[in-house]
Amino acid sequence: DAKTTQPNSMESNEEEPVHLPCNHSTISGTDYIHWYRQLPSQGPEYVIHGLTSNVNNRMASLAIAEDRKSSTLILHRATLRDAAVYYCILKTQGGSEKLVFGKGTKLTVNP
Amino acid sequence: EAQVTQNPRYLITVTGKKLTVTCSQNMNHEYMSWYRQDPGLGLRQIYYSMNVEVTDKGDVPEGYKVSRKEKRNFPLILESPSPNQTSLYFCASSPANTGNTEAFFGQGTRLTVV
Repeated sequence: DAKTTQPNSMESNEEEPVHLPCNHSTISGTDYIHWYRQLPSQGPEYVIHGLTSNVNNRMASLAIAEDRKSSTLILHRATLRDAAVYYCILKTQGGSEKLVFGKGTKLTVNP
Repeated sequence: EAQVTQNPRYLITVTGKKLTVTCSQNMNHEYMSWYRQDPGLGLRQIYYSMNVEVTDKGDVPEGYKVSRKEKRNFPLILESPSPNQTSLYFCASSPANTGNTEAFFGQGTRLTVV
């Protein structure tokens, strides 16, 4: 499974944008970049995914570098409810559905 | 509402007493799996199923069994639980083999084996 690297932790203030980086230098052409988050005492929750182009949905935006070796999850206005561990995961089209969770980035949001 | 339902949410049991954790999804997903989450080790896959009657081992299958007799259900069976199976368990489901779809997770089952 292709590997991703994320900072262990990040901190943000409420109402400010948050940029969560992920490096995936060994990504292959058929790997989708997925982001999940896990709020305290809950199961992982899908956030967003993309292949090559930037993606937006109601929760976040995903910015993918042109060479696809890195990506950034953007929370436009962090709220206290966004405090969670965020996981960046690669999934291969036509490959296993298994999600390989690394340690993720623990996001703290200050009021 | 699309969801994955696990029961029970909390369970305390004694070593050796067989138990089953149930998992059900209402999205007609082919793929279902079980993960356990332990401090410092993250989420690891126990077993998965590509469809009815098709199951296979994940990364940490020892001490667990599963079955997939119906598409919606994927129970996790611990025939003789031991204290090292004390953990937080999650069931997940997704459409199979696309890479382009999201997985849905249950709320978790916190198991303590004493």
